Amino acid sequence: AQSVTQLGSHVSVSEGALVLLRCNYSSSVPPYLFWYVQYPNQGLQLLLKYTSAATLVKGINGFEAEFKKSETSFHLTKPSAHMSDAAEYFCAVSDSPDKLIFGTGTRLQVFP
Amino acid sequence: DGGITQSPKYLFRKEGQNVTLSCEQNLNHDAMYWYRQDPGQGLRLIYYSQIVNDFQKGDIAEGYSVSREKKESFPLTVTSAQKNPTAFYLCASKPGRHAQGEKLFFGSGTQLSVL
Repeated sequence: AQSVTQLGSHVSVSEGALVLLRCNYSSSVPPYLFWYVQYPNQGLQLLLKYTSAATLVKGINGFEAEFKKSETSFHLTKPSAHMSDAAEYFCAVSDSPDKLIFGTGTRLQVFP
Repeated sequence: DGGITQSPKYLFRKEGQNVTLSCEQNLNHDAMYWYRQDPGQGLRLIYYSQIVNDFQKGDIAEGYSVSREKKESFPLTVTSAQKNPTAFYLCASKPGRHAQGEKLFFGSGTQLSVL
């Protein structure tokens, strides 16, 4: 079965600093990969997704992620953090047409 | 506006009681899902349904039951057999079973606590 591992349950950055959230996947076939964001007491919203069209994927709110097959990684980045980016972020891989497997999440804190 | 509505937002369960969480969508999606979220554990799949009158167990189905009598509705019952029900429950949907690259649409969740 496919899985994802998110390194770091908590990440803290200063406003204006680079955001880097790490995600590694395990898959024997080219996967579909997703990043979702969750604000407190809300559902998840899609940030971006990789479906093999391009290795660098741009999403909403200035986030982007690069698919690196050699490293089995799909790390999420943003050049300059904003206070409104504080949330929990989930990496996910599509296990089959039926299911999506989520990582354990990374909580991002942004300090002024 | 199209979307997924979960109710109630907060729910309390007494010992030995069954409770039902509501999930309604007006997106005309075939596939619907229930996830359980616990701190530090991410989202775990409870049940999913690809079509009316059919559903499958996910990774943690024990102590839960579902029904799919209508396309737009997918209620989740937390039974008394679920010994640790306190969690945030999320309902989601997507267009269909073959839409592997399609995103999930999520409701805003129900926080279930035990009295």
